[in-house]
Amino acid sequence: DSGVTQTPKHLITATGQRVTLRCSPRSGDLSVYWYQQSLDQGLQFLIQYYNGEERAKGNILERFSAQQFPDLHSELNLSSLELGDSALYFCASSVLEGGETQYFGPGTRLLVL
Amino acid sequence: SQKIEQNSEALNIQEGKTATLTCNYTNYSPAYLQWYRQDPGRGPVFLLLIRENEKEKRKERLKVTFDTTLKQSLFHITASQPADSATYLCAPSASGGSYIPTFGRGTSLIVHP
Repeated sequence: DSGVTQTPKHLITATGQRVTLRCSPRSGDLSVYWYQQSLDQGLQFLIQYYNGEERAKGNILERFSAQQFPDLHSELNLSSLELGDSALYFCASSVLEGGETQYFGPGTRLLVL
Repeated sequence: SQKIEQNSEALNIQEGKTATLTCNYTNYSPAYLQWYRQDPGRGPVFLLLIRENEKEKRKERLKVTFDTTLKQSLFHITASQPADSATYLCAPSASGGSYIPTFGRGTSLIVHP
């Protein structure tokens, strides 16, 4: 158990809908990262927050947004969902601002029908 | 652009043998390099971190080397066991803020009893 929690574990929704994925980092970790992993694809970095502020951005679609709250939990919002958004979404956390070891959550499996 | 290469073909070995996985990177100079293990449908788990001024790092049956001249890291599992079967990801890392986390696509290791 990494100490990172993600909810929900599974999500099934329809095209055009909007969903929110939630992540709670390990106690004491200030950075939260979001990744997308499609079938047979590598981990694609989406976005990072550090202590409430956006720190780095990857290839995140405009339909996707995220935020980190004062209690350090983070939410990833996916809107106008398309079939191709079906994937595993992982959250990871780390103590510092960037570059060091990340601790991954169990992921949220999103299926868009 | 930064590129990380890991062998996309699965590595099949016999139980008890040493598995060696390769990670090559181009177009950047990481301050350190990490290896993670990922089981199907689960989040990556941190295994080892090696810094640019370290040639070799060991942890139990695991050994990592880091050659900054060749821009390559080798990951060894000695006395491999079927339970070692998983995908192994490498992540060369910069340090500090505004760094974009980048993972290799991983190499699948299959250890046959």
